Amino acid sequence: DVKVTQSSRYLVKRTGEKVFLECVQDMDHENMFWYRQDPGLGLRLIYFSYDVKMKEKGDIPEGYSVSREKKERFSLILESASTNQTSMYLCASSLVWGLAEISPLATDTQYFGPGTRLTVL
Amino acid sequence: GQNIDQPTEMTATEGAIVQINCTYQTSGFNGLFWYQQHAGEAPTFLSYNVLDGLEEKGRFSSFLSRSKGYSYLLLKELQMKDSASYLCAAHGSGNTGKLIFGQGTTLQVKP
Repeated sequence: DVKVTQSSRYLVKRTGEKVFLECVQDMDHENMFWYRQDPGLGLRLIYFSYDVKMKEKGDIPEGYSVSREKKERFSLILESASTNQTSMYLCASSLVWGLAEISPLATDTQYFGPGTRLTVL
Repeated sequence: GQNIDQPTEMTATEGAIVQINCTYQTSGFNGLFWYQQHAGEAPTFLSYNVLDGLEEKGRFSSFLSRSKGYSYLLLKELQMKDSASYLCAAHGSGNTGKLIFGQGTTLQVKP
């Protein structure tokens, strides 16, 4: 079974603090994603990475940065936390894209971590 | 633009059948996912439709019409534990593995 873990389930930080959210997957997946989930807005993609040291902006990257130094680990960084960044943060991973010899179900399915509920005071 | 629409809330009775609809507009389309998410938990994979038609998996089935940009999730013999949010997600943007999620449908199953 794929396992995606996140460093904290609950986190409380103060405005202006630098915040690190860590995500680790154990299935050698190429793709990793960071989302935030807010009531009425659904899951919104912040950043994603399709390879070590590679990253691309998602739909709402402002105020966030990411780091992927190792294949299994993808970190989300809030450089200076603000109250509007209070949210549930979900990390996900998927195997790879573009390999015709592997079924789309195997390559495209994203597996999620348990989430980190971040409160910024 | 890219958009996924699904109803916000639905209510159904234990033992009944419920259909959750999803319409999508994406630039490019590879397939359509359904995820289940219980309150306070991570989304878990339910189904992935790439081709048109109905795919059945136990009490859950998922349908896709690519020409209409439409999918539905069908839940039969509803149980109380099926109370959850159901997320529709389109794999649309080329070959990057990105998914575009709808806001989710919260299903409440009543006795």
